[in-house]
Amino acid sequence: NAGVTQTPKFRILKIGQSMTLQCTQDMNHNYMYWYRQDPGMGLKLIYYSVGAGITDKGEVPNGYNVSRSTTEDFPLRLELAAPSQTSVYFCASSYGVGFYEQYFGPGTRLTVT
Amino acid sequence: DQQVKQNSPSLSVQEGRISILNCDYTNSMFDYFLWYKKYPAEGPTFLISISSIKDKNEDGRFTVFLNKSAKHLSLHIVPSQPGDSAVYFCAASGATGANSKLTFGKGITLSVRP
Repeated sequence: NAGVTQTPKFRILKIGQSMTLQCTQDMNHNYMYWYRQDPGMGLKLIYYSVGAGITDKGEVPNGYNVSRSTTEDFPLRLELAAPSQTSVYFCASSYGVGFYEQYFGPGTRLTVT
Repeated sequence: DQQVKQNSPSLSVQEGRISILNCDYTNSMFDYFLWYKKYPAEGPTFLISISSIKDKNEDGRFTVFLNKSAKHLSLHIVPSQPGDSAVYFCAASGATGANSKLTFGKGITLSVRP
């Protein structure tokens, strides 16, 4: 049981490049989330999904896109990378909302230069 | 506008003593409060939670207290151990709708001195 896995662990992008951050969970959770954490800040929600085929914007969605074609996978796409997207990105999943704990992946450290 | 505030960025305590981590919130629609612990280069892991119908929840060395009227909660760790050194995030959510997504504080870095 791997939980939530993310790839890659590290990435350096040049301004204007694009990339996809991969996230997979094996707990059969309906809910999945993408967060970013900037230095000295809490986690901010980028996008979330309540099930396959259903996604919605979080607090900071600009510059990102997501898709959810299966229960297991929730990739995050960065188009036209900008220095402001330099951050650590965490994917998470949960059985439900509110009371239910979220399980986090190990994170992807992204630098845009 | 920060809805979940952890005003102290860091805390240092001696091994064996009590650690008290504080958290304040502004949204009265929050019903659930969770604490997450994060080690460097790892994702956050769930530690303990409390719902708004309770004022205390205990799990081993960890106890969370909730004061709804003051919109304040605190995490107590007794006794503190060096392995507890980490960043602790307070998070809150409501039961439904827009408030059902977790809102995180900025985190508190706890250092437990041997």
